[in-house]
Parts: sequence; structure tokens; C-alpha cells
Amino acid sequence: AQKVTQAQTEISVVEKEDVTLDCVYETRDTTYYLFWYKQPPSGELVFLIRRNSFDEQNEISGRYSWNFQKSTSSFNFTITASQVVDSAVYFCALSQMDSSYKLIFGSGTRLLVRP
Amino acid sequence: DTGVSQDPRHKITKRGQNVTFRCDPISEHNRLYWYRQTLGQGPEFLTYFQNEAQLEKSRLLSDRFSAERPKGSFSTLEIQRTEQGDSAMYLCASSSWDNTQYFGPGTRLTVL
Repeated sequence: AQKVTQAQTEISVVEKEDVTLDCVYETRDTTYYLFWYKQPPSGELVFLIRRNSFDEQNEISGRYSWNFQKSTSSFNFTITASQVVDSAVYFCALSQMDSSYKLIFGSGTRLLVRP
Repeated sequence: DTGVSQDPRHKITKRGQNVTFRCDPISEHNRLYWYRQTLGQGPEFLTYFQNEAQLEKSRLLSDRFSAERPKGSFSTLEIQRTEQGDSAMYLCASSSWDNTQYFGPGTRLTVL
């Protein structure tokens, strides 16, 4: 069975701090996708990144960076120099490379960045 | 470039009534998905269309739920004889062959 675990229910930081959101996944498939989505208070899920299981190269995009480690089945997300606008719920998701590519989401981590 | 749109954004109904939601995907996206999200949880997959064909349904999709995607464009999700447990946010997403799903703003359903 496939499963995504986001153990951190809520994180609170002060603006400009760095913060890492953890994501651990379970799958028996050898090929899959991993995603991060942001859900601000408005409610719409915003796509942030997709990684393929065969590409473990870490990625940086501005203040965002992602660390993918197959050996520990983790796909962690770091925000550097956090800002108040980063306050949102962040979801990690897994997708099998099968016919539907449906997403299996974790329960989310609520990030509060205080000024 | 227009994103995924959903209508209505909010729906309040009484138990036992039928409701229908609409989703317009990003144009030329051949895949369309419906998810349900309850408070404090991540979205859960309901059903998937490739063009007009409904190819997968979750066990969450009881007999009271039906979805269609005529002509492979917009999709509708109907819930018959609503129950209080159906109260949730219903999210629609679409993707092209790159399999990255883009979500609409959702329809929040409240069943009284």
C-alpha cells in the first residue's frame, strides 16, 4: 500500500528563520512521483514541485529547496528566510506511475510564520 | 492561460437533497480528477477521467455519487440524497501527459 506521512502537524517560526517540513513515504513501486503543494488560507492547492523516483538530485528554487533521499524514503522541503506570506498548509503527495497517476496525500503541515 | 475553475464555490443544502458541482479543466488537459478534503486532512482521491472515459473510482465513491465528463471537456459531480457526512471541500484537478495535477479553487459543501 502507498502512504505519505507528515509527522509535523503544525510549525510556528519567526520571520527570517529557516524551516524544514518533513515527508516520509511508503510504496512498493520502483517508479513514482513525489510532489509538494501549498494550500494558503484561500483554499486552492498550489503546485510547488514534482520529482521522479529515478532522479534524486536535490532542487533549489529561490528560497525553496527540496531534499529527496530514496534510502530513507523521505522528500523534505526547506524554506530559507521564511516570510509571513509562506504561512499555509503544505502537503506532500505520492503518485504511482500507473494508469491514473492519482495523488496520495499526507495529512499536511500547517506553517505559521510570525512577524 | 486560464486555470481550473469550479462552480459553485460554496453550496449549502439540506440533508436528502441532490447537489451537482461543475469543473472546467485547463484547456487541452486530457486527464481530470475529483478529490474530497475534510477539515484537517489531505485531499482523498474520488475518481479519474481520461478524456470522456471514467477509468478509476475510489471505494469512497458510494452509489450516491456519480461523475461525468461528456465530450472530454468539463466534468460534473453529483451527490444524491446528501448526508451530513458529505460535508467537505470537493476539489477538481487536471493534467496533461506530464502528469502534474493543477487544482481548482474547490467547492465547499455544507449539508445541514
